[in-house]
Amino acid sequence: QKEVEQNSGPLSVPEGAIASLNCTYSDRGSQSFFWYRQYSGKSPELIMFIYSNGDKEDGRFTAQLNKASQYVSLLIRDSQPSDSATYLCAVNMNPGTASKLTFGTGTRLQVTL
Amino acid sequence: GAGVSQSPRYKVAKRGQDVALRCDPISGHVSLFWYQQALGQGPEFLTYFQNEAQLDKSGLPSDRFFAERPEGSVSTLKIQRTQQEDSAVYLCASSLGGQGSSETQYFGPGTRLLVL
Repeated sequence: QKEVEQNSGPLSVPEGAIASLNCTYSDRGSQSFFWYRQYSGKSPELIMFIYSNGDKEDGRFTAQLNKASQYVSLLIRDSQPSDSATYLCAVNMNPGTASKLTFGTGTRLQVTL
Repeated sequence: GAGVSQSPRYKVAKRGQDVALRCDPISGHVSLFWYQQALGQGPEFLTYFQNEAQLDKSGLPSDRFFAERPEGSVSTLKIQRTQQEDSAVYLCASSLGGQGSSETQYFGPGTRLLVL
């Protein structure tokens, strides 16, 4: 079992719809969770981070964390073609130490016209 | 500078050749990380520096990989006797402080290494 798991996709959603990206992690002690967006041939760019159970909203993006279920998700409202990218879930599994991140393989999102 | 910079952006090496990859973190950032990203995969941790101290090198895949950050700013990742399996994108990231599990990492553009 991988430490951080994501469906590789592609996840295809029409323009204007909600895209839901999911991630599960294996280490119950994990404290910090990050979503990065990576366009093809580019480096990862931070979208959001979340530390506490519940929802965190930032513009069209909402991160959801459920530590009991070891599950974190990213919702993208009003999806745009420019949102088409790979979304990487990253977890810090070493609370209280330097923030080495463990990444999932990423979910490729395609927003269609 | 405005962000993390890396050089070269692309490197083609013959098998057995040594390569050196450079990372310039965001000015004032204490923490610096190296990751390796194979095609279609997420980044995988290689090593971490806090200032000039290499605090974690658990992700380095073999003793052919060596990293340094002698003055606590610029870092170099060196790969000796490159092998084809070393072909990947090498990403550098930096974050502001030292200890603290919640700090955001900012990534550079990466160096794409191809070993022939």
